[in-house]
Amino acid sequence: GQSLEQPSEVTAVEGAIVQINCTYQTSGFYGLSWYQQHDGGAPTFLSYNALDGLEETGRFSSFLSRSDSYGYLLLQELQMKDSASYFCVLQTGANNLFFGTGTRLTVIP
Amino acid sequence: EADIYQTPRYLVIGTGKKITLECSQTMGHDKMYWYQQDPGMELHLIHYSYGVNSTEKGDLSSESTVSRIRTEHFPLTLESARPSHTSQYLCASSAARTNTGELFFGEGSRLTVL
Repeated sequence: GQSLEQPSEVTAVEGAIVQINCTYQTSGFYGLSWYQQHDGGAPTFLSYNALDGLEETGRFSSFLSRSDSYGYLLLQELQMKDSASYFCVLQTGANNLFFGTGTRLTVIP
Repeated sequence: EADIYQTPRYLVIGTGKKITLECSQTMGHDKMYWYQQDPGMELHLIHYSYGVNSTEKGDLSSESTVSRIRTEHFPLTLESARPSHTSQYLCASSAARTNTGELFFGEGSRLTVL
């Protein structure tokens, strides 16, 4: 089986940088992705890491270290609209995405 | 913006009723999925489809059924709703050849069974 751990809640100040960590246990996987979900909204894809290292997409970056079974999502220049839940997701098969429990990010002025 | 639509967005029904949650996508994606999500919790896969006439059960046992008669349409049916079925149901699709695990989600159907 698989397991994913991420903090349940994070609070950060507008304009700051925040890192949301994700540790996992799995026997094998294709990659780690991140989704954002606003309250009452649909999850939206943010990023995907198949290989170790950093992937950057605008203000968002995602990192993966397979040797450490660890990844993180980095959000820079935080904006109020970034307040949402963020899920790390293991892709363990072509149709198998295992979602973490999510981290609720609150951005304060 | 993803072109995947779910109806109804909100539904309150009594125990024992039959309901169908509709999901349609206009992106021509072969793969479609149904996830169940309780408030503040993770998503659990309940059904998926590789394409027309293909349906599979997901990781979470569900009393619902699905069908895939057309590429763009993947409805989910509960023959006899119970209060334990109260949840949000999210439909998603992906391109068959994607290698990033990117799913496009609908806005969800929030079901309350009294």
